[in-house]
Amino acid sequence: GAGVSQSPSNKVTEKGKDVELRCDPISGHTALYWYRQSLGQGLEFLIYFQGNSAPDKSGLPSDRFSAERTGGSVSTLTIQRTQQEDSAVYLCASSSGLAEYYEQYFGPGTRLTVT
Amino acid sequence: KNQVEQSPQSLIILEGKNCTLQCNYTVSPFSNLRWYKQDTGRGPVSLTIMTFSENTKSNGRYTATLDADTKQSSLHITASQLSDSASYICVVSARGSQGNLIFGKGTKLSVKP
Repeated sequence: GAGVSQSPSNKVTEKGKDVELRCDPISGHTALYWYRQSLGQGLEFLIYFQGNSAPDKSGLPSDRFSAERTGGSVSTLTIQRTQQEDSAVYLCASSSGLAEYYEQYFGPGTRLTVT
Repeated sequence: KNQVEQSPQSLIILEGKNCTLQCNYTVSPFSNLRWYKQDTGRGPVSLTIMTFSENTKSNGRYTATLDADTKQSSLHITASQLSDSASYICVVSARGSQGNLIFGKGTKLSVKP
């Protein structure tokens, strides 16, 4: 079946612009996660959704970052007023339950470059 | 602070050789430890997952070990193939963490012909 998909695969934007990144999880997966992978760094947790609610937003690096999930499916990660330090690969993952116990399936990521 | 440290940072081996990657963690209370393989430009793919009571887990040519007392894990790759060239990431989950997994920075493995 279809895996986790993300769009766009690459995004180049100018500093100060807003960007929206999209994640389509595996159908039926209730949990959805966003991570950031900067060059030479490990994956950094940003936020997760259980259904449409986000119990843990502690990983969002600043108030310029927000995310929503509608219909228990598609999620968008929005970065406002982008900065050069936002340049990274943004990965989305989904699982049929909480990631502590269930397998996470990752999408291919969106490579964001802020110029 | 919950941390996962991996070594070496990078490794080059010849096709057909074996190798072992290391992972040390300070995550507490421990729930489980996973090894992922991440090909360039792709998302990570799970290789193994081990809970506190498991000492070893195999997946084909990949064998992971866990010593929960010393908080160390290793991933052994047998008879390496060119397709094994990738980053290998150690990930630890704390009990009750729900979604917040702790990722190591990975070991970049290059298998040369």
